[in-house]
Amino acid sequence: QKEVEQNSGPLSVPEGAIASLNCTYSDRGSQSFFWYRQYSGKSPELIMSIYSNGDKEDGRFTAQLNKASQYVSLLIRDSQPSDSATYLCAVQAGGSARQLTFGSGTQLTVLP
Amino acid sequence: DGGITQSPKYLFRKEGQNVTLSCEQNLNHDAMYWYRQDPGQGLRLIYYSQIVNDFQKGDIAEGYSVSREKKESFPLTVTSAQKNPTAFYLCASGDTGFGETQYFGPGTRLLVL
Repeated sequence: QKEVEQNSGPLSVPEGAIASLNCTYSDRGSQSFFWYRQYSGKSPELIMSIYSNGDKEDGRFTAQLNKASQYVSLLIRDSQPSDSATYLCAVQAGGSARQLTFGSGTQLTVLP
Repeated sequence: DGGITQSPKYLFRKEGQNVTLSCEQNLNHDAMYWYRQDPGQGLRLIYYSQIVNDFQKGDIAEGYSVSREKKESFPLTVTSAQKNPTAFYLCASGDTGFGETQYFGPGTRLLVL
């Protein structure tokens, strides 16, 4: 059974701080990793994808991947109240299987 | 406008009734997916299709059925065999291949009367 675990939260940070969201996965053959943001009552929207070890930056967001430790994280710099949402980590296996396995999400609240 | 549409936004099911959720995409994606989300939980895969006229069961397919007669459309039927259908249903699509990114529709919320 492929598993994706996220720190359950909820996580609260003050406005302007760095929010750190973590995710571990069990399938060592996983090759693609995604972070989605989901506002309450809405569908998930893609924030970042990462495929290689190291850091990938996009604006205020940085995804970090360590395949040896089976760990992927998302850093949000200069957090804003509009970043308050649930963040879902999703992992895609290699080979012909394209489906994603999702974690249960981390609820982030950015306090003004 | 390119995107994924789902209808209806809300759906009410009576006991013993089959209901069908619509999903349409105009992104020219080969693959389409159906997920279920329960409160406070992540998404669980119900069915997926990587090509027209072919589909595979996901982790929780019991009580559900799908069809893929057109590339653009992937309807999901929630049958009377699904005893706990109340959930948020999300359709997604993506290109097949390495690093395929999935994009989600707005979702359908199914409630049981």
